[in-house]
Amino acid sequence: EIVLTQSPGTLSLSPGERATLSCRASLSLGGNYLAWYQQKPGQAPTFLIYDVSTRATGIPDRFSGSGSGTDFTLTISRLEPEDFAVYYCQQYGSSPRTFGPGTRVEIK
Amino acid sequence: EVQLLESGGGLVQPGGSLRLSCVASGFTFSNFAMTWVRQAPGKGLEPVSVIWGDIDNTYYAASVRGRFAISRDNAKNTLYLQMNSLRVEDTAVYYCAKTDGYLDRWGQGTLVTVSA
Repeated sequence: EIVLTQSPGTLSLSPGERATLSCRASLSLGGNYLAWYQQKPGQAPTFLIYDVSTRATGIPDRFSGSGSGTDFTLTISRLEPEDFAVYYCQQYGSSPRTFGPGTRVEIK
Repeated sequence: EVQLLESGGGLVQPGGSLRLSCVASGFTFSNFAMTWVRQAPGKGLEPVSVIWGDIDNTYYAASVRGRFAISRDNAKNTLYLQMNSLRVEDTAVYYCAKTDGYLDRWGQGTLVTVSA
């Protein structure tokens, strides 16, 4: 099973700042089989990015994904008030699919 | 528009059973795998079970294997999760999600509480 580790656990930033979230896999994913999700309190997760860097429909371009192998990054170029949430990475290149523990982006 | 609507959650005693349902619309249900993901209070996301479109292929997390059973009725566009021998640690919000490797649409979730 591929274990995903996310860092930092919590990121405290102000609106307008840049957020950089890390996701590290215990084994190389081989292909670009990494996704990112956003979850706000009391809501279901929403799908942000797949195949490492492809934004899902309707996702603003301030969200971008990058990386390969075992190291991946979600970047939010300028934080909007609605971006403060928990972010999860997920790998789907190997069974079982696994999620990281999440990074909370909170208002500083 | 893709919609997923879960139901069937509630309060149950340890050792009891529940069946969750997820009604799908807005896409060709039979063409996609479906996943049940749960989230315990204050915790992260745990994939519980997956069923592929051809029905014969399924996956269960070790924590539920032998107690939970996933199924689908492609004619009714409905996904199910039969949960038996429930434990306190099964308490969570259960989400169904349309799956194409990644989970691109999620339902709103249904809360399962296992408590005496």
